[in-house]
Amino acid sequence: DTAVSQTPKYLVTQMGNDKSIKCEQNLGHDTMYWYKQDSKKFLKIMFSYNNKELIINETVPNRFSPKSPDKAHLNLHINSLELGDSAVYFCASSAVGTIYFGEGSWLTVV
Amino acid sequence: LAKTTQPISMDSYEGQEVNITCSHNNIATNDYITWYQQFPSQGPRFIIQGYKTKVTNEVASLFIPADRKSSTLSLPRVSLSDTAVYYCLVGDGVSSNTGKLIFGQGTTLQVKP
Repeated sequence: DTAVSQTPKYLVTQMGNDKSIKCEQNLGHDTMYWYKQDSKKFLKIMFSYNNKELIINETVPNRFSPKSPDKAHLNLHINSLELGDSAVYFCASSAVGTIYFGEGSWLTVV
Repeated sequence: LAKTTQPISMDSYEGQEVNITCSHNNIATNDYITWYQQFPSQGPRFIIQGYKTKVTNEVASLFIPADRKSSTLSLPRVSLSDTAVYYCLVGDGVSSNTGKLIFGQGTTLQVKP
C-alpha cells in the first residue's frame, strides 16, 4: 500500500487549460502539503493543511487552489495554466517532524 | 527556522564510505536534524533524524557534535543505487511547523563504478 499517492504521475496540457492533481494519504496524518520542485531541484512549499484547514499559504498565484474534502485527501486545482507552471508537484503528509512524500506529478505546459 | 548549508555535489566510488556535512550555525535548542534522500523521478524520503551525538539505522549514521552547529551524514560502502540528492533540514519537530522546513538544493551524490 502506497502511503501517499497522487495522480496523475504525468500530465501534458496546453496553456490556458485547467487541471487538477489528486492526493491521498493512508497514514492517518493530520497535516498534508503541496510542494513544487523546479528545474533547479529546489523544493518549495505551496500549501499546508491541518485537519482540512489551511495553515500555510505561501506566495502562490491564486490560480492554484487546494481543496481538502477530508484529512486524508488534498487536491490541487490549477486554473489558466501558464508555461512557468511546468514543474514537479509533490503531495506530502507529516507526522511530528517527518514528511512523507508522494511520487510526484510531472506537469508540462505547452 | 535555521538555515542549512551543504555541498552542492559530491562524487564517490562504489564500496567507499561517504560523509556529507551540513552546517546549521543558527540551530535552536528545540531543533532536530533530519536528512532526506531523493532519487530521480521520486519524492524525497526520510533517511535519519537526530538531536545530538550519534544516531545509526540500517541505512546511515548521523554524527552531531556537541555544539550542534553541523551534522554529518555517513553512508557506509555506497553502491550505484545510492546516487541521489541528499537534503539536510533543521526544525523543531512541532507538527504545525514541519511544513515550514526549508529544502535547499541538497547535495547531489554521484556514485561511480
